[in-house]
Amino acid sequence: AQSVSQHNHHVILSEAASLELGCNYSYGGTVNLFWYVQYPGQHLQLLLKYFSGDPLVKGIKGFEAEFIKSKFSFNLRKPSVQWSDTAEYFCAVNQGDNAGNMLTFGGGTRLMVKP
Amino acid sequence: ETGVTQSPTHLIKTRGQQVTLRCSSQSGHNTVSWYQQALGQGPQFIFQYYREEENGRGNFPPRFSGLQFPNYSSELNVNALELDDSALYLCASSPGGGTGQFYGYTFGSGTRLTVV
Repeated sequence: AQSVSQHNHHVILSEAASLELGCNYSYGGTVNLFWYVQYPGQHLQLLLKYFSGDPLVKGIKGFEAEFIKSKFSFNLRKPSVQWSDTAEYFCAVNQGDNAGNMLTFGGGTRLMVKP
Repeated sequence: ETGVTQSPTHLIKTRGQQVTLRCSSQSGHNTVSWYQQALGQGPQFIFQYYREEENGRGNFPPRFSGLQFPNYSSELNVNALELDDSALYLCASSPGGGTGQFYGYTFGSGTRLTVV
């Protein structure tokens, strides 16, 4: 079965520090890749997504992610975090060839940014 | 455009009872999916509805069931509640019906279910 791993469960950074959150998945076929963010008390919001084309994807709020097919990875990055980026971040994968709309989520990474 | 709305926001039930959670999909979205998010974990796919029929299901027992209505709204029903059913239940809508390219979901804020 498809699985998604987010290796960092908790990350604490100071404002202006750079961020990289890891995401690895297990499915070897065509995939659609997503990063969602969940701010405290709010619903899941889409940060960015990858379907095809340029493996470097830019999303909202200065976030970007790079799809490296050979490494089954889709890591999330931001060059300079802000206190308002404090949230939980979820990587999710859709098997593009046969899974309809089903997403498999990673366990999440809780980011705390210290002012 | 309206987003995905879920009701109620919070619910407390006793073990063995039954519960119904409701979801209104985003305007223009004809597919509704339900996810369970246990505390400290990522969401897990329960099932998906398109054209009022279930067309995809995750690893959840039959006591988890659902409905979709002609206006694309949906219900999640859970029978014989167990303590482990305590979780945030998320509804997500999307266009397309589960075939062809999937462009992602719009999620609701969820229903927090506590089973005591």
